[in-house]
Amino acid sequence: EAQVTQNPRYLITVTGKKLTVTCSQNMNHEYMSWYRQDPGLGLRQIYYSMNVEVTDKGDVPEGYKVSRKEKRNFPLILESPSPNQTSLYFCASSLRASGTNTQYFGPGTRLTVL
Amino acid sequence: GIQVEQSPPDLILQEGANSTLRCNFSDSVNNLQWFHQNPWGQLINLFYIPSGTKQNGRLSATTVATERYSLLYISSSQTTDSGVYFCSGTYKYIFGTGTRLKVLA
Repeated sequence: EAQVTQNPRYLITVTGKKLTVTCSQNMNHEYMSWYRQDPGLGLRQIYYSMNVEVTDKGDVPEGYKVSRKEKRNFPLILESPSPNQTSLYFCASSLRASGTNTQYFGPGTRLTVL
Repeated sequence: GIQVEQSPPDLILQEGANSTLRCNFSDSVNNLQWFHQNPWGQLINLFYIPSGTKQNGRLSATTVATERYSLLYISSSQTTDSGVYFCSGTYKYIFGTGTRLKVLA
């Protein structure tokens, strides 16, 4: 089944404790991205990747890191989480960034930073 | 950057009613899509519609790219249509803030 998976689905952590949220897709998509969703703000893009080893900042990259060493994986890293990073996070992928491309989303990761 | 405005922000319907949701972009976009976020938070693709009209069951969408807007029509609404509807565009997938729909039985 074609899908985007994220882990963990729920995470409660404390300020400053490094964490990684994994994202994997099995559709051989080139384009992957991370979003955070906050009440009243919709979805805002954190980082995106056009292909392996090609990443770029979205609208709200501060406090986050990403890497794209393999085509299927795009982990989101919070080196020193803070309470303002409490949010619902989505990973997404599409075949390419341009052209006729539908974007597919993972199930979401609800992160709470105390 | 490109701004995306969705209207109305909130909508309450009686089951069986029809509705139109609108998405305006401040500049031309490509990769325009409509999504539905169900009450469990899952984001579901509804339409990829950079231009023209598409229909899928009770839902249809029209994009007028030259005028930078898109419409989502929901006919004979059902309680399962409840949730938040987002439009999105450009290669950076800019999202609107959504229309929150509640359909009452």
